[in-house]
Amino acid sequence: GQNIDQPTEMTATEGAIVQINCTYQTSGFNGLFWYQQHAGEAPTFLSYNVLDGLEEKGRFSSFLSRSKGYSYLLLKELQMKDSASYLCAVMDSNYQLIWGAGTKLIIKP
Amino acid sequence: EAQVTQNPRYLITVTGKKLTVTCSQNMNHEYMSWYRQDPGLGLRQIYYSMNVEVTDKGDVPEGYKVSRKEKRNFPLILESPSPNQTSLYFCASTPGGPSGANVLTFGAGSRLTVL
Repeated sequence: GQNIDQPTEMTATEGAIVQINCTYQTSGFNGLFWYQQHAGEAPTFLSYNVLDGLEEKGRFSSFLSRSKGYSYLLLKELQMKDSASYLCAVMDSNYQLIWGAGTKLIIKP
Repeated sequence: EAQVTQNPRYLITVTGKKLTVTCSQNMNHEYMSWYRQDPGLGLRQIYYSMNVEVTDKGDVPEGYKVSRKEKRNFPLILESPSPNQTSLYFCASTPGGPSGANVLTFGAGSRLTVL
């Protein structure tokens, strides 16, 4: 079966750096997405990786290794507003999105 | 403002009472989809539509119906709701099928409770 694994919850300190990992086993691969979801709100798009390597977008970066079935989202200079859930999703060979359960990130002052 | 609008945002109903959750997008998107989100689980796709009059089952279609008579609207129908359909529902759209170039735009969500 298809599976996306992410840690359930992580805690970090304001101003620090945090890395949220995502491992996947899917039928084919057509890209990996990261979304941010604040409590009670809709997911919003953060990043997309289809080739190996690091994609940087301001304070957020996303890394992909297709051979290892692994990605991470790196958040730098953490702010209180970064407290949210981070969802990893993989597009399979049928272009269907498979979603992880999300990682709840708690930022402490 | 480009957006996906869902209604109602919150609903408490009873088992067996038919209900419809509406979804409308103003971006002329071809692809629309319904998801449900439950604690500890990833988003699960219920139904999706590639274009007008074209709908397909997602991963968890049982107990749900949809229609796509107009490009902008994609209502989700629960003919006979049951407590296991208590969930947070999201409608989403994208210009074509989901891809790196066509990321999903989500509605604000509809929290449904079936007693």
